Amino acid sequence: GIQVEQSPPDLILQEGANSTLRCNFSDSVNNLQWFHQNPWGQLINLFYIPSGTKQNGRLSATTVATERYSLLYISSSQTTDSGVYFCAVLQYTGGFKTIFGAGTRLFVKA
Amino acid sequence: DSGVTQTPKHLITATGQRVTLRCSPRSGDLSVYWYQQSLDQGLQFLIQYYNGEERAKGNILERFSAQQFPDLHSELNLSSLELGDSALYFCASTGVTDTQYFGPGTRLTVL
Repeated sequence: GIQVEQSPPDLILQEGANSTLRCNFSDSVNNLQWFHQNPWGQLINLFYIPSGTKQNGRLSATTVATERYSLLYISSSQTTDSGVYFCAVLQYTGGFKTIFGAGTRLFVKA
Repeated sequence: DSGVTQTPKHLITATGQRVTLRCSPRSGDLSVYWYQQSLDQGLQFLIQYYNGEERAKGNILERFSAQQFPDLHSELNLSSLELGDSALYFCASTGVTDTQYFGPGTRLTVL
């Protein structure tokens, strides 16, 4: 089956720093989403981005489907950005089978 | 608040027992997904329903089953529970955009 790899696995930033998280996937996909799981366990959808670039405030994401990767940029990080960032790819098989990466655990220091 | 509700929030039970987890999707969403999150396996897709019909299946054990009812709420049934079934169980729903909105999860502890 399709493999989803995220890097780095762990990241520690000083508040105000920028970072780039990467998601590589091994096969073509119909859909790619980025999620943030906050320290209380809630999963929040950040981007629905099968291709191209999107921006939402300090966050932006780019997916290059032909090269099978996606990047999540976090600028001017804040302590509230701490948590785990997941990339998930969806393959259509009559319905959408979702495969999550292992996540990038981010800690932003004040 | 995503608009997806899950009950109960916490569930503690014994090995061999059976439990039912409930999910209500966002108003108007026809599709429901179930996931299991454990420390050793990460986030695993279990099953997807669309308007009452099963559409996609992932790593769902035979001891687990799910259904989606005419009012679109969904239930995940876990039977013959084992210690390894202890995990956080999420459901998510989607509408026309395929963006997944997650509920707060049910934390299951099997003793």
